[in-house]
Amino acid sequence: EAGVAQSPRYKIIEKRQSVAFWCNPISGHATLYWYQQILGQGPKLLIQFQNNGVVDDSQLPKDRFSAERLKGVDSTLKIQPAKLEDSAVYLCASLTGGRSYNEQFFGPGTRLTVL
Amino acid sequence: AQTVTQSQPEMSVQEAETVTLSCTYDTSESDYYLFWYKQPPSRQMILVIRQEAYKQQNATENRFSVNFQKAAKSFSLKISDSQLGDAAMYFCAYRSWYNNNDMRFGAGTRLTVKP
Repeated sequence: EAGVAQSPRYKIIEKRQSVAFWCNPISGHATLYWYQQILGQGPKLLIQFQNNGVVDDSQLPKDRFSAERLKGVDSTLKIQPAKLEDSAVYLCASLTGGRSYNEQFFGPGTRLTVL
Repeated sequence: AQTVTQSQPEMSVQEAETVTLSCTYDTSESDYYLFWYKQPPSRQMILVIRQEAYKQQNATENRFSVNFQKAAKSFSLKISDSQLGDAAMYFCAYRSWYNNNDMRFGAGTRLTVKP
């Protein structure tokens, strides 16, 4: 089966510019996550979707970050305007959902550099 | 809140030898999952091994095994017969049994394998 797809793989922008990342989860996976991974740190959850609804966005800096999953499949994460400290790898992950255990699969990530 | 600590930022091992990566965590929950993820350079994160907290038996996957000490809240990863392809960042992670979105990662350990 195809894995979690993300694009672009790399992005370089200047501070105060806007940027958007795209994620296509594994087919049938109801739950989708966006993580921020700053260099030298583990991934930190930004937002979780269940189908097209937000389950948890408590760590999303809502003054500049936004995310949507309109049809319950693809998702986009936007930063507007970007700051230097937003330089990180943005990981998308998905799983099937439900109460029993199921594995979380990660995409290759988008490496963002803010100059 | 649950926290995950990896006290070894870097480790190295000679090819064919054994190495152990350490992880401790803090939680008040009795049921949870623990994971080790591998993240090769510029490649996506993949699951290495999983342990359910209710299981007393340590998980094993080929050359990878864990030492799960629930009372001590310790979860170390042992890699036997190390191979060059094992070189990567390794992340320890905790996930709540009750809450799929409560996934916490450690800061990671960079493993170098010397030929």
